Amino acid sequence: KNEVEQSPQNLTAQEGEFITINCSYSVGISALHWLQQHPGGGIVSLFMLSSGKKKHGRLIATINIQEKHSSLHITASHPRDSAVYICAVRSNFGNEKLTFGTGTRLTIIP
Amino acid sequence: DSGVTQTPKHLITATGQRVTLRCSPRSGDLSVYWYQQSLDQGLQFLIQYYNGEERAKGNILERFSAQQFPDLHSELNLSSLELGDSALYFCASSVGDSGSYEQYFGPGTRLTVT
Repeated sequence: KNEVEQSPQNLTAQEGEFITINCSYSVGISALHWLQQHPGGGIVSLFMLSSGKKKHGRLIATINIQEKHSSLHITASHPRDSAVYICAVRSNFGNEKLTFGTGTRLTIIP
Repeated sequence: DSGVTQTPKHLITATGQRVTLRCSPRSGDLSVYWYQQSLDQGLQFLIQYYNGEERAKGNILERFSAQQFPDLHSELNLSSLELGDSALYFCASSVGDSGSYEQYFGPGTRLTVT
């Protein structure tokens, strides 16, 4: 079992729909990152969180440390949100490395 | 634009060859991370440098090496290249030495080994 699991692997939705992408992890963590990878390959860091909830524009990220689960929500989705969304965690065992999920490919249809 | 630059953007080379990928971090960032993204393995952490010193190592092959220079730019050297080394190589930078700081990614170098 991978340390970081994302669901769904693929998601297609209509423009305007509310989107939820889930990330579950199996180790104790000190931080969780949400990344966006555009079709051209570039990676953008969306959020880094260790507790609670963060909001940036139409994007909201939440984390539940006890349940080892995080969600990324997109409100009023738009075709430009089409990308791969990747969850990554930093273990709290002292190693600085990030462990990545396999990503969720999101396609928003106009 | 993240402020992190990587050169070259694309690299095509033959098996057995050696290449060097270069990364310049954002102004003020002391940490540089290297990642490999292949089709079958996804994103994997290779190595991290902080202020010139190696800080953490991930799944980096012995054929690969890296260093961070006094001006904080970093180079990733890949030698005895194999077909399986074909991948996107990203570097990222952050202000601190911990994975608990936000990381800013460069545009990546696409390496094709033929």
